[in-house]
Amino acid sequence: DTGVSQDPRHKITKRGQNVTFRCDPISEHNRLYWYRQTLGQGPEFLTYFQNEAQLEKSRLLSDRFSAERPKGSFSTLEIQRTEQGDSAMYLCASSLQPGLAFYNEQFFGPGTRLTVL
Amino acid sequence: AQKITQTQPGMFVQEKEAVTLDCTYDTSDPSYGLFWYKQPSSGEMIFLIYQGSYDQQNATEGRYSLNFQKARKSANLVISASQLGDSAMYFCAMREGAGNQFYFGTGTSLTVIP
Repeated sequence: DTGVSQDPRHKITKRGQNVTFRCDPISEHNRLYWYRQTLGQGPEFLTYFQNEAQLEKSRLLSDRFSAERPKGSFSTLEIQRTEQGDSAMYLCASSLQPGLAFYNEQFFGPGTRLTVL
Repeated sequence: AQKITQTQPGMFVQEKEAVTLDCTYDTSDPSYGLFWYKQPSSGEMIFLIYQGSYDQQNATEGRYSLNFQKARKSANLVISASQLGDSAMYFCAMREGAGNQFYFGTGTSLTVIP
């Protein structure tokens, strides 16, 4: 098990372009989360999947953002018509569905750093 | 109101000394979980320790311990015998009830001085 991986690690794009990020979770994890982290802040929740179903979306996720997890394994996050305010680190995390113990540690990937010029 | 508050933007500690990183939380849900993560300059979030709201004992994981004061709604992280490799950002986070979001604080930057 190699942990959560994200690709690319860095992305520089011009304003108005579309970008897509990929996340590969830990193989047995059925939950996958996307977060955005700006400089000096903690991660902010964007959305999460249980298997292939997108069950919750933050109001931070504008209509320019779309996330998919088509086969319940890897996920993609697409940002259309990027804006300079989209510049941030995009973190992916995965976990098992919590049981009665209520404990569901999230394992994070290394993140994709997006810079919009 | 902020769900998680970390009031120390930056902390310094001498190598081999102990340090406490503060975290207060806000929730009306009786069931919740509190987490601490470390984020080195490489960017990856590393899980350190977990405390459940119904846990009677303070959580400990090696050199990390969580000072859980439920009435004060605080969950401070104590790092004993600091090492140079402990220099990083530290984030406190909370999961409420059956919710699926983790709420993170703004973090504390810890620098260990040789």
